[in-house]
Amino acid sequence: GAVVSQHPSRVICKSGTSVKIECRSLDFQATTMFWYRQFPKQSLMLMATSNEGSKATYEQGVEKDKFLINHASLTLSTLTVTSAHPEDSSFYICSATPPGQANYGYTFGSGTRLTVV
Amino acid sequence: GIQVEQSPPDLILQEGANSTLRCNFSDSVNNLQWFHQNPWGQLINLFYIPSGTKQNGRLSATTVATERYSLLYISSSQTTDSGVYFCAVVSDFNKFYFGSGTKLNVKP
Repeated sequence: GAVVSQHPSRVICKSGTSVKIECRSLDFQATTMFWYRQFPKQSLMLMATSNEGSKATYEQGVEKDKFLINHASLTLSTLTVTSAHPEDSSFYICSATPPGQANYGYTFGSGTRLTVV
Repeated sequence: GIQVEQSPPDLILQEGANSTLRCNFSDSVNNLQWFHQNPWGQLINLFYIPSGTKQNGRLSATTVATERYSLLYISSSQTTDSGVYFCAVVSDFNKFYFGSGTKLNVKP
């Protein structure tokens, strides 16, 4: 089945630095990937839609200059948290599905737990 | 966006008991998935079920799209079933809207 890999699984960074999170589709090509954020004991909220070869689409309230998304290839999307602050500490998860198989469900990566100190 | 409500928010069961989790959604959807989030955060897809009924072992799910709800049944619960169960619905643009989850604790 479709596999989505995320890296790193856990990262701790200092306030003011930037952190890059990778999301890879291992056995399929994904023109679209989605990034979600989950705060402790809360649900997942969609942050942005990553589109291969074009700009990402951000949900209302998500700062595009703070959360930079690059989808440079059909198997890789990256989320960069710029000038991270403690309030950005969260669990970030990506998802994707093979082309034409959206009706069969989406696969999620294993997530990245970001802690900003 | 679409509103998704799950109930109950918390559930404590004795091992071996059965349970039903509910998901209500506010608009028609293209599909619906149930997930189990393990203690490490991994989302495990349980069912893709935009309508009808499906069963997988001790788990089954039913979605009544016309009435905008879905149910997840867990029978003969085990301690390994503990975790958070999410219902998520998908809009026209393939965006997932997640419910707030049901936190299940199965005690031995």
